[in-house]
Amino acid sequence: DAGVIQSPRHEVTEMGQEVTLRCKPISGHDYLFWYRQTMMRGLELLIYFNNNVPIDDSGMPEDRFSAKMPNASFSTLKIQPSEPRDSAVYFCASSLAGRNEKLFFGSGTQLSVL
Amino acid sequence: AQTVTQSQPEMSVQEAETVTLSCTYDTSESNYYLFWYKQPPSRQMILVIRQEAYKQQNATENRFSVNFQKAAKSFSLKISDSQLGDTAMYFCAFMTGSGNTPLVFGKGTRLSVIA
Repeated sequence: DAGVIQSPRHEVTEMGQEVTLRCKPISGHDYLFWYRQTMMRGLELLIYFNNNVPIDDSGMPEDRFSAKMPNASFSTLKIQPSEPRDSAVYFCASSLAGRNEKLFFGSGTQLSVL
Repeated sequence: AQTVTQSQPEMSVQEAETVTLSCTYDTSESNYYLFWYKQPPSRQMILVIRQEAYKQQNATENRFSVNFQKAAKSFSLKISDSQLGDTAMYFCAFMTGSGNTPLVFGKGTRLSVIA
């Protein structure tokens, strides 16, 4: 298995632009998580899905952030409009139901908003 | 809500020496898991060690071991015979025992191993 695949690996954009981050979870995994990593706050959970349904989005910082999971093999995290304070590494992770202790991470997207 | 606290933002250790990274957590749950993840400069998240709260014996993986103090809600990581490849960010994480809840992470400790 190729593991959790995230794209792009790096994204540089200007303030006000729309940014879309993509994630392909491991085939067969029921849970998908989006985390954000910053120096100040460490790894924060933004949102997670179970069977493509959002379960908890209380970590999404503002209405500028939205996430979708249209099918079991694809999820997006969108920021519109982007701001410099959104600069961070965004991780996607997936796991099997009842086995979140075995969490598989993607390689992350380094987002820089200028 | 569960919280995880890593009080040491940065640490350094001489090669071949031993270092201990601290982690405390707060929960009212009785059944849970604790984890240490390593993040080298490549950004990859690597599971180092896992502890189940109902197990009294401390987990060990080669040079990595934990000191799990359930009453004190403390979960420290000891790295023995430190190697240059241990240089990384280390995250402590918590998960309730249902297996269907997300991991909650601390802010991390940046460890530098010095030759």
